[in-house]
Amino acid sequence: DTEVTQTPKHLVMGMTNKKSLKCEQHMGHRAMYWYKQKAKKPPELMFVYSYEKLSINESVPSRFSPECPNSSLLNLHLHALQPEDSALYLCASSQVGGGTYTDTQYFGPGTRLTVL
Amino acid sequence: AQKITQTQPGMFVQEKEAVTLDCTYDTSDQSYGLFWYKQPSSGEMIFLIYQGSYDEQNATEGRYSLNFQKARKSANLVISASQLGDSAMYFCAMEGNQGGKLIFGQGTELSVKP
Repeated sequence: DTEVTQTPKHLVMGMTNKKSLKCEQHMGHRAMYWYKQKAKKPPELMFVYSYEKLSINESVPSRFSPECPNSSLLNLHLHALQPEDSALYLCASSQVGGGTYTDTQYFGPGTRLTVL
Repeated sequence: AQKITQTQPGMFVQEKEAVTLDCTYDTSDQSYGLFWYKQPSSGEMIFLIYQGSYDEQNATEGRYSLNFQKARKSANLVISASQLGDSAMYFCAMEGNQGGKLIFGQGTELSVKP
C-alpha cells in the first residue's frame, strides 16, 4: 500500500475556478515533489520541496502555486487553468532530496485533472 | 546532459514467460542511481527496483532483476514468470547529482497475454 496519499482522485474545473490538490506522506520523508503527466508520456517535474523550502521550480506558469505547510504535506493551488493543463498530477516523496542519487522517490496515486 | 532511452514503445509477452525491457542511459556523472517504475492504467507510479552506479551486483527484488552493464550504459529490467497483473507502462529513470531530478525514459507498454 502506498504511503503517499493524494486528494481528490479526480477533479473537473472550469478555467475561472480556484482549486487545490493535496498530498500527504507518512514516511518521515523531507523532500516532496509535484509532477505533471500527459497520457502515454513520462512524468514532468514541476516543483521540488526539500526541508519545506522550494528547491526546484521548473519554470512552471504562475497559475500553479505550490505550498508546503510542513514536511508531511504538499499542496498545489490551481487558478485560471487552461484546457491543456488537463493531466494526471502526481505527488512523490523521498528521504532527503537534494541530489542524493540513492534517494528513491515514492509516488502517490495521482489526481486526474480535467479543465473545461 | 543526462538522457534515458527506452527503445521499445510496446511489447507483448506470454503469461509465465520472462521478458526483458531495455533501457540505456547517458550521463557524465560518476555517481548516479537507476530506477524502474511500473505504472498500471490506474495511474500510480510503483517503484520496482534500484541500482546504484557503484553497486557491483545486479539488483533483484522478487521477480524483478536489473541487468546492469555499466560499460554499455544499460540497465535492463528482467521480469521472470510474467503475470497478467504485470500489464502496465514501465519507466526507466536516472538520478545523478542534479538536486533531486529524476530523468525518465519514454516508457515501454507491456502487455501480458494469457
